[in-house]
Amino acid sequence: SQQGEEDPQALSIQEGENATMNCSYKTSINNLQWYRQNSGRGLVHLILIRSNEREKHSGRLRVTLDTSKKSSSLLITASRAADTASYFCATAWNSGNTPLVFGKGTRLSVIA
Amino acid sequence: SAVISQKPSRDICQRGTSLTIQCQVDSQVTMMFWYRQQPGQSLTLIATANQGSEATYESGFVIDKFPISRPNLTFSTLTVSNMSPEDSSIYLCSVYTATNEKLFFGSGTQLSVL
Repeated sequence: SQQGEEDPQALSIQEGENATMNCSYKTSINNLQWYRQNSGRGLVHLILIRSNEREKHSGRLRVTLDTSKKSSSLLITASRAADTASYFCATAWNSGNTPLVFGKGTRLSVIA
Repeated sequence: SAVISQKPSRDICQRGTSLTIQCQVDSQVTMMFWYRQQPGQSLTLIATANQGSEATYESGFVIDKFPISRPNLTFSTLTVSNMSPEDSSIYLCSVYTATNEKLFFGSGTQLSVL
């Protein structure tokens, strides 16, 4: 299985601080994605990084990918209470129409 | 993008009964994926549903327990059969769109089995 492993499992920070979550995976990938889930509902896609990319930005999100270490990190800058959610990394071994394999997730709590 | 309507959003069921979950997509998609998320856990793929063919099930999931229908390119159902308390989970359907590599998810069905 190439299931990702996120750490930490849970993270609690103050509003305005940065939050960093890490993900490791086991096999070669085509891309790695990060998703957010509020209160056990449907997941929402945040950002995708391809295997030939090292860093990507989207608003307050910054994702890095190190394929040699089979790891990725998600940084949320200037966090807000509304960022409180679970964050999952997911990997795809191929592009398009391939089921994603999800990691165990990090539960982020941002305290106002 | 894709908008997925999933229902029911939640249900409480008795042991031994069955529940059918429906997902309707606002566009035609080739594949639909059904995931299970047990309490406090990650998502586990149950099966991939293609229109016009039998679903492909992952290890640990069987058709008799989780029959899936895919009658057209915008609709699918997942039935959880002969339920036990161990089936209490969130069930999620998801799709890719033709031009994207990201998944869109339904809002999930929170199932509790007593």
